[in-house]
Amino acid sequence: DAGVTQSPTHLIKTRGQQVTLRCSPKSGHDTVSWYQQALGQGPQFIFQYYEEEERQRGNFPDRFSGHQFPNYSSELNVNALLLGDSALYLCASSPRSGRSNEQFFGPGTRLTVL
Amino acid sequence: GDSVTQMEGPVTLSEEAFLTINCTYTATGYPSLFWYVQYPGEGLQLLLKATKADDKGSNKGFEATYRKETTSFHLEKGSVQVSDSAVYFCALSDKGQGAQKLVFGQGTRLTINP
Repeated sequence: DAGVTQSPTHLIKTRGQQVTLRCSPKSGHDTVSWYQQALGQGPQFIFQYYEEEERQRGNFPDRFSGHQFPNYSSELNVNALLLGDSALYLCASSPRSGRSNEQFFGPGTRLTVL
Repeated sequence: GDSVTQMEGPVTLSEEAFLTINCTYTATGYPSLFWYVQYPGEGLQLLLKATKADDKGSNKGFEATYRKETTSFHLEKGSVQVSDSAVYFCALSDKGQGAQKLVFGQGTRLTINP
């Protein structure tokens, strides 16, 4: 059973560019959450998708947007990149139904903005 | 808003030493509490969790007890191993339908020397 997968592993962009990161959830999971982890910090919640809609959002600007597809996979898009967007971007999946509130994390995509 | 505070790192111990990593939280209501571990180059893995006051989460020799009166969830292990070297994150989430957003502490880097 594959866990949460993310692509690409690493990415280098320049200021002002746009980037798309991808995530495939664990089998049986229908909810995807995205987090940003700056170097030496804890992850910060960006947003969560369920049934192809954004359900919760953290304190991130509109430059950060997302999408969820019918197969539950998800994309994170960041426009007009800033140096401060350099971070490890983590995707986490979970089942909407049931009593467990555990989230399973992928290995992350490391984004460097030059 | 909700927040989590962890003891400052890094923490360096010798093998077989006793480990405590302090974690306190601020939240409205009664959140679920988690400890996640991040090994080098990997995503986050759930180590243990507790969902209500006085619950004790345990896994791989690690333990933490949900203390409502002191709003704490300290991580302990009686005898650490070199393989426990990693970054440890304390986190909380509100209860609700499905997995709610996680609020993380800043992380504590643990190094165990042989």
